[in-house]
Amino acid sequence: AQSVTQLGSHVSVSEGALVLLRCNYSSSVPPYLFWYVQYPNQGLQLLLKYTTGATLVKGINGFEAEFKKSETSFHLTKPSAHMSDAAEYFCAVSDQTGRRALTFGSGTRLQVQP
Amino acid sequence: DSGVTQTPKHLITATGQRVTLRCSPRSGDLSVYWYQQSLDQGLQFLIQYYNGEERAKGNILERFSAQQFPDLHSELNLSSLELGDSALYFCASTPQGAGGANVLTFGAGSRLTVL
Repeated sequence: AQSVTQLGSHVSVSEGALVLLRCNYSSSVPPYLFWYVQYPNQGLQLLLKYTTGATLVKGINGFEAEFKKSETSFHLTKPSAHMSDAAEYFCAVSDQTGRRALTFGSGTRLQVQP
Repeated sequence: DSGVTQTPKHLITATGQRVTLRCSPRSGDLSVYWYQQSLDQGLQFLIQYYNGEERAKGNILERFSAQQFPDLHSELNLSSLELGDSALYFCASTPQGAGGANVLTFGAGSRLTVL
């Protein structure tokens, strides 16, 4: 079985501050990990993904995430928040077998204060 | 525009009714996934089709059914609707079937309200 847990359903930061959204995964086989973002009234779109290789993954809009196997984590960060980053962020896990569909976390809503 | 088209965007209906949600995948994509997003359940995987055949099943109720047609569009049928079926229903597509590294391309969703 595979699952992800996102700590904090709401995160609020000031514009220019560090963004840190937490994700921990559980998987019986080596995982593939994803972060998706959902803007209001839109579908989800991919921010970044980790499959194999380099554990620090860079995505769009200045976001990056680091795969830490020892901590079973895949936290999402951005050095400086922008107002346009306000959205809901979903961590998701699949595995190399491809037998299971992508499993999403419960989401974290990011608010950016001016 | 992601290339995945979902219709209708909004739908309001009554309990006990039946509705059909439609999805056209991105051009060239063979695999279609259906997800339900609700406040209490989050994003739940319902079902996946690949090139017309059912590939995987998630938390899909027996009152719900889906199919993928030869032109690769998919329909999700929801019957005997209950208040709790009110949710956003997303369709997503990928080029391949199995393959955990596949990136899902999502449509904008169909918002169903059951009164």
